[in-house]
Amino acid sequence: DIQMTQSPSSLSASVGDRVTITCRASQGISSWLGWYQQKPEKAPKCLIYGASTLQSGVPSRFSGSGSGTDFTLTISSLQPEDFATYYCQQYSTFPLTFGGGTKVEIK
Amino acid sequence: QVQLRESGPGLVKPSETLSLTCTVSGGSISGSSYYWSWIRQPPGKGLEWIGNIYYSGSTHYNPSLKSRVTISVDTSRNQFSLKLSSVTAADGAVYYCARRRANQPIDSWGQGTLVTVSS
Repeated sequence: DIQMTQSPSSLSASVGDRVTITCRASQGISSWLGWYQQKPEKAPKCLIYGASTLQSGVPSRFSGSGSGTDFTLTISSLQPEDFATYYCQQYSTFPLTFGGGTKVEIK
Repeated sequence: QVQLRESGPGLVKPSETLSLTCTVSGGSISGSSYYWSWIRQPPGKGLEWIGNIYYSGSTHYNPSLKSRVTISVDTSRNQFSLKLSSVTAADGAVYYCARRRANQPIDSWGQGTLVTVSS
């Protein structure tokens, strides 16, 4: 299985801050990576696919980069509605695997 | 816009079989090249992919659960199902059904259903 390691597991930030979350795959996955946002009691929502392509309707303050084994999700200016948990997921190889999640909390 | 909805018992006894169904509306379950998936999330924890069934009927399972999992599809009802046998308390989670295309991430999720394993 491909292990996905996210860091940090949690962070505190203020509205307007730039936030970066990293995800590392245990082996190369090209750009077969998605980022999801999950709010409490809700299903995850895909923000980015192909490591860097924004899903339709996702604000441009979200961006993704990376390929191979190292990836980042950046929120350029954190908004109140962005406080949530974020997960990366590889879909290069079965079994599909998720990172452990990064909880973004209000400072 | 496709919609997915999970249904099934919210309480299952230890050692018994957990059975859930996902009803798909707004699109045919057999009409396109989609993977129909099950994912779970224990309370307060992360996401775990359980497995999927392709529109052609082929299946892939998480090796950690493979010996206990069966995913099947009923095209006449536009549903797919999950069976997880010999459950323990560790199988208690919110179970999501979901959809994705090959080489793409999950694009549609059900609302999730909480399953508790307890006697």
